[in-house]
Amino acid sequence: EIVLTQSPGTLCLSPGERATLSCRASQSVSSSYLGWYQQKPGQAPRLLIYGASSRATGIPDRFSGSGSGTDFTLTISRLEPEDFAVFYCQYYGSSPLTFGGGTRVEIK
Amino acid sequence: EVELLESGGGLVQPGGSLRLSCVASGFTFSSHTMSWVRQAPGKGLERVSGITGSSGSIYYADSVKGRFTISRDNSKNTLSLQMGSLRAEDTAVYYCVKGGTGTPFDYWGQGTLVSVSS
Repeated sequence: EIVLTQSPGTLCLSPGERATLSCRASQSVSSSYLGWYQQKPGQAPRLLIYGASSRATGIPDRFSGSGSGTDFTLTISRLEPEDFAVFYCQYYGSSPLTFGGGTRVEIK
Repeated sequence: EVELLESGGGLVQPGGSLRLSCVASGFTFSSHTMSWVRQAPGKGLERVSGITGSSGSIYYADSVKGRFTISRDNSKNTLSLQMGSLRAEDTAVYYCVKGGTGTPFDYWGQGTLVSVSS
């Protein structure tokens, strides 16, 4: 089973700042199957990034994903007020399709 | 537009049963793997079950194996999760999701809350 560890647990930033979120896999995984999701309070998660670096439909270009092997990164270039939320990475290449524990991005 | 509408959640006593349903629209339902993902209050995401388009391959998390049964009716664009021998730790919001092994979870329903308590 692939274990995904996200860091930091919480990120406190101001609007306009850059956010860098990390997702580390317990063993090397194919970047083709690494995704990132955003979840706002009271809402379902939303797919942001698939295949480690491809933006999902309608996702602004301030969101970008990168990485390979065991280390992956989600970057939000300039935080907008609506971006503050919890972010999860996921490996969907083989069962179980695990999620990381999440990173909360809070307003400073 | 893709829509996933869950129903069937509610309050149930420990040991009881519940059936969740999800009606899909806006895509060719029979061509896609579907999953159920749950989120306990204040916790992270857990995929509990998945089923391929033809129902040829089914997955259950160890936490629900032997107690939950996933099924689909492609003629009615409906995904179901029969939940039995429910425990307090099954309390969660359950999401119907389009996606599975090899494909990202690109569409999510609004979720239905299952509460297991006496």
